[in-house]
Amino acid sequence: SQTIHQWPATLVQPVGSPLSLECTVEGTSNPNLYWYRQAAGRGLQLLFYSVGIGQISSEVPQNLSASRPQDRQFILSSKKLLLSDSGFYLCAWGGGHVADTQYFGPGTRLTVL
Amino acid sequence: GEDVEQSLFLSVREGDSSVINCTYTDSSSTYLYWYKQEPGAGLQLLTYIFSNMDMKQDQRLTVLLNKKDKHLSLRIADTQTGDSAIYFCAERGFQKLVFGTGTRLLVSP
Repeated sequence: SQTIHQWPATLVQPVGSPLSLECTVEGTSNPNLYWYRQAAGRGLQLLFYSVGIGQISSEVPQNLSASRPQDRQFILSSKKLLLSDSGFYLCAWGGGHVADTQYFGPGTRLTVL
Repeated sequence: GEDVEQSLFLSVREGDSSVINCTYTDSSSTYLYWYKQEPGAGLQLLTYIFSNMDMKQDQRLTVLLNKKDKHLSLRIADTQTGDSAIYFCAERGFQKLVFGTGTRLLVSP
């Protein structure tokens, strides 16, 4: 069966510091991968998605970036965090089901102080 | 473009039925989904419906799809306190899903 991991689970970072969040998927190959952000009490905002190694599509201009160095690894980064980057970051994978369903990881709670 | 709308809040008593509504704009969507998010957790897929179906039932969950009005609903029978969560509907777009804003369901004893 497929599983998706995210780490860390929680993170507190000062403004201006770098960021690296990691997402890995097990049990499937060549998945579509997605990064979402959820602000407190809000819906989901799609940040990036990837349909293959090295292929990244950005949905929203911001100071974040994403990379996919391996088939089942998706990384969200920033060189300098802003207060507005605080939120709940969710990784998802999709493409393994006929309905193209997306399956979500447990999320990373990021607080920028 | 694609847009999905939901009411923000629904409150019911334990044992009642809950109906969460959603409207979408893309008539070419092939699949529509319902996800559940408990506090501090990721989204859990509850069910999905193919666009050529009008209804899908899975235990306490019933999904109704009105393609003419682009309206999707999720009915939860015999709602329990454990059903308290945020419920998201989503439509299938090109290489991605478009999510609604989520409906917070509060179930009181």
